[in-house]
Amino acid sequence: NAGVTQTPKFRVLKTGQSMTLLCAQDMNHEYMYWYRQDPGMGLRLIHYSVGEGTTAKGEVPDGYNVSRLKKQNFLLGLESAAPSQTSVYFCASSPGDRGYTEAFFGQGTRLTVV
Amino acid sequence: DQQVKQNSPSLSVQEGRISILNCDYTNSMFDYFLWYKKYPAEGPTFLISISSIKDKNEDGRFTVFLNKSAKHLSLHIVPSQPGDSAVYFCAASGGGTYKYIFGTGTRLKVLA
Repeated sequence: NAGVTQTPKFRVLKTGQSMTLLCAQDMNHEYMYWYRQDPGMGLRLIHYSVGEGTTAKGEVPDGYNVSRLKKQNFLLGLESAAPSQTSVYFCASSPGDRGYTEAFFGQGTRLTVV
Repeated sequence: DQQVKQNSPSLSVQEGRISILNCDYTNSMFDYFLWYKKYPAEGPTFLISISSIKDKNEDGRFTVFLNKSAKHLSLHIVPSQPGDSAVYFCAASGGGTYKYIFGTGTRLKVLA
C-alpha cells in the first residue's frame, strides 16, 4: 500500500543543471500537486493538475515545469537549477471532488542547489 | 500576499493541558479547511477537516472550530501528549479553487 511515492529522496545539483522529480500515486486520484517547504514560509503550491493531461500554475511556479502524461504520475522539472530552489519538495494527491476532501502527501525530496 | 496565516510560529504546552493552534484566512471563497501534522523528515499527514456549513468538528482529542465571520479557525488538542509535538499546518480549499493553500505552520512542543 504505497500511497504517494517521490523519487529521489535526496539530490544535490550544481547551479544550471536540470533534473526531474517524479511523483507516483497508486490510489487512482484525479488531482495531484507539487509544493515546496522553506523555513518560515510553510508549504507553497508550485503547480497542480486536476486530471491526466492538465496542469495549472500555483503560487510559486517560476523556474519549474510539470507534466501529467499518465494519471498516476506527476513530474516536476527544473530546467536550470538556482540556489533559490534549494528546498524540500512534497507531492500530494487527492481524489478530486473540487478540493472538498483531504490530500495525501509523499515523504518529500530534499534538494540542494550549490 | 498570504491567504492563510498562522501567526504563532511556535507553542509550548504542558502534557495533559490544552493546546490551541490558530489560523486566519483572507479569501472568503474558501469553504473547506484542513489541519495537517508534520514530523521531521516526513510528509504532512491529514488530521481533521471542517466544512464551512459547520462551526465545529471533533475527532477524539482533536476539535476544530470555525468562525466564518472572523475568517478564523482553531485546532484544540485535549489532552496534549508528548507525541503531539510536531509542526501543524492549516490549509484552505474549496470554493472552486481545486487546490489547497497552506499556512506557514506552528511548531507545537508538548512538555512531559
